Amino acid sequence: EPEVTQTPSHQVTQMGQEVILRCVPISNHLYFYWYRQILGQKVEFLVSFYNNEISEKSEIFDDQFSVERPDGSNFTLKIRSTKLEDSAMYFCASSESLAWTDTQYFGPGTRLTVL
Amino acid sequence: RKEVEQDPGPFNVPEGATVAFNCTYSNSASQSFFWYRQDCRKEPKLLMSVYSSGNEDGRFTAQLNRASQYISLLIRDSKLSDSATYLCVVNILPGFKTIFGAGTRLFVKA
Repeated sequence: EPEVTQTPSHQVTQMGQEVILRCVPISNHLYFYWYRQILGQKVEFLVSFYNNEISEKSEIFDDQFSVERPDGSNFTLKIRSTKLEDSAMYFCASSESLAWTDTQYFGPGTRLTVL
Repeated sequence: RKEVEQDPGPFNVPEGATVAFNCTYSNSASQSFFWYRQDCRKEPKLLMSVYSSGNEDGRFTAQLNRASQYISLLIRDSKLSDSATYLCVVNILPGFKTIFGAGTRLFVKA
């Protein structure tokens, strides 16, 4: 069964550093998403991406964050100048089309720890 | 008011019990609705979509009441493997944004 993959599974970084989280969505999917989940809290939407553009972003997704699809397979989330409060699990997801009705498939997540 | 609100839980039930989860949403622009389950420190996984007419998948039944902005999930004959956090999820248009509820934790005991 096709699946979304994410690397690394765990990233430790120093405050102020930049990190790039990587995702490989399911190959025929067209919509891509990033979410975060702070430990013990709910899953929070960050951004949706379609046709090489951001479709929607939340209030959390400020200038510190950016997304990119650098090639035909990877989808990345860059976090500049990381802060302690960026420590969370970051999930990538993808869906085939008509995103608002279609199932989103989630990757296993990257646990980001900012020290 | 929270955009998606769920029973706080946790629910502790014996095997074989029937358990119901409730969810309300505040944004009338909400277009589609789902129940996901999340095991500890794992990714959310789709349990079922929720349709206006209600839908059933084995032991699971989902209901949607748009007028009341209310969604429910019923689990019959609970199994130990049903122990997880159940997440109510709503997609909002225009644009595309997915809102998760905080989840309701279920513990099924032998």
